[in-house]
Amino acid sequence: DAGVIQSPRHEVTEMGQEVTLRCKPISGHDYLFWYRQTMMRGLELLIYFNNNVPIDDSGMPEDRFSAKMPNASFSTLKIQPSEPRDSAVYFCASRTRVPGSTDTQYFGPGTRLTVL
Amino acid sequence: DQQVKQNSPSLSVQEGRISILNCDYTNSMFDYFLWYKKYPAEGPTFLISISSIKDKNEDGRFTVFLNKSAKHLSLHIVPSQPGDSAVYFCAASPYQGAQKLVFGQGTRLTINP
Repeated sequence: DAGVIQSPRHEVTEMGQEVTLRCKPISGHDYLFWYRQTMMRGLELLIYFNNNVPIDDSGMPEDRFSAKMPNASFSTLKIQPSEPRDSAVYFCASRTRVPGSTDTQYFGPGTRLTVL
Repeated sequence: DQQVKQNSPSLSVQEGRISILNCDYTNSMFDYFLWYKKYPAEGPTFLISISSIKDKNEDGRFTVFLNKSAKHLSLHIVPSQPGDSAVYFCAASPYQGAQKLVFGQGTRLTINP
């Protein structure tokens, strides 16, 4: 099992540029989550999907942020335009509700975003 | 408004001693709590959880205590080992299996040999 895969692992960009973060969840998992980690606020849930459908995006900070899940094995988080305050580590996580499975979220390694 | 707070950004403990990490929450609707552990350059991994029907849950060297009246939980690691050095996140949800977890800021634990 490859686990949750995120790319890129590091991204450095300039203010105003578009940034796209990518995630491949664990095969068979039907929930996908995007989180942002900062020193001040810890881990914040941005949005989550169930069966590729966005369920709750109340954590998305602004209209500059958007997320899509075109199929069960791929999701993107886009920031356009990016700002220095968006600098953080972004995590993707997935889970399943299959009876008998572990009732936890499995996290990817994260993408460290730096906006100059 | 931080609903889950870990007031100690860092903690240093001698190897073999007990590590105690604390977490406070403000939302009385929270009924299920989890601890995640995170190593550098990796994502958080689930460690242990507790439901509000219990006040203690133990798994090997790790024990989580819950005090609902004080809205406080703690993670005890006994004995502490160098491999326990990591960032620990406390998380809360209204029930077991809820999709939305509310995380704290994390506490960096360093175990000194």
